[in-house]
Amino acid sequence: NAGVTQTPKFQVLKTGQSMTLQCAQDMNHNSMYWYRQDPGMGLRLIYYSASEGTTDKGEVPNGYNVSRLNKREFSLRLESAAPSQTSVYFCASSDLAGAYNEQFFGPGTRLTVL
Amino acid sequence: GNSVTQMEGPVTLSEEAFLTINCTYTATGYPSLFWYVQYPGEGLQLLLKATKADDKGSNKGFEATYRKETTSFHLEKGSVQVSDSAVYFCALSPSGNTGKLIFGQGTTLQVKP
Repeated sequence: NAGVTQTPKFQVLKTGQSMTLQCAQDMNHNSMYWYRQDPGMGLRLIYYSASEGTTDKGEVPNGYNVSRLNKREFSLRLESAAPSQTSVYFCASSDLAGAYNEQFFGPGTRLTVL
Repeated sequence: GNSVTQMEGPVTLSEEAFLTINCTYTATGYPSLFWYVQYPGEGLQLLLKATKADDKGSNKGFEATYRKETTSFHLEKGSVQVSDSAVYFCALSPSGNTGKLIFGQGTTLQVKP
């Protein structure tokens, strides 16, 4: 099993460009999450999907959109990238959307917006 | 609101030294508490967790006890190795929610031979 995979690993964008970060999991998990990691701030939740067909905003959703394409895949879209979106993005999944459940993380996408 | 505060890093220790990384939290109700570890160039992975007061989570020689009276979940290891060098994140999941995690800022640990 590959676990949680993310593409691309690295990306450089110019301000105003758009892109989609892809995430897929092969663990048959119901819930999926997108986080961003910034120095000194830990990880902050952007959006999550408790189950297939549902999505909800997290702590920092502005400037992002998501699509839960099917049970396996959860994509994050930046419609008009800004330098403030320079970050490392992590996708995660868990079996159930509950307080006790472990989240499994992908290797991350390092995004730079010039 | 809910928040997690970790001790500032980086923490530099010699091999076989004792490790403590402090973590305190603010939350209503009874959150679950986690420690995640991030090795260089990788995603986070769960190190240990505790889901109720006085629970002790343990894994790979690391331990942390859920202390509701002091709202703390300090990470300890009796003898660190070079391979423990990583960034450690304390996190909480508020009770009754949909599994959202709230992270501390992370503490970098460097262990020297």
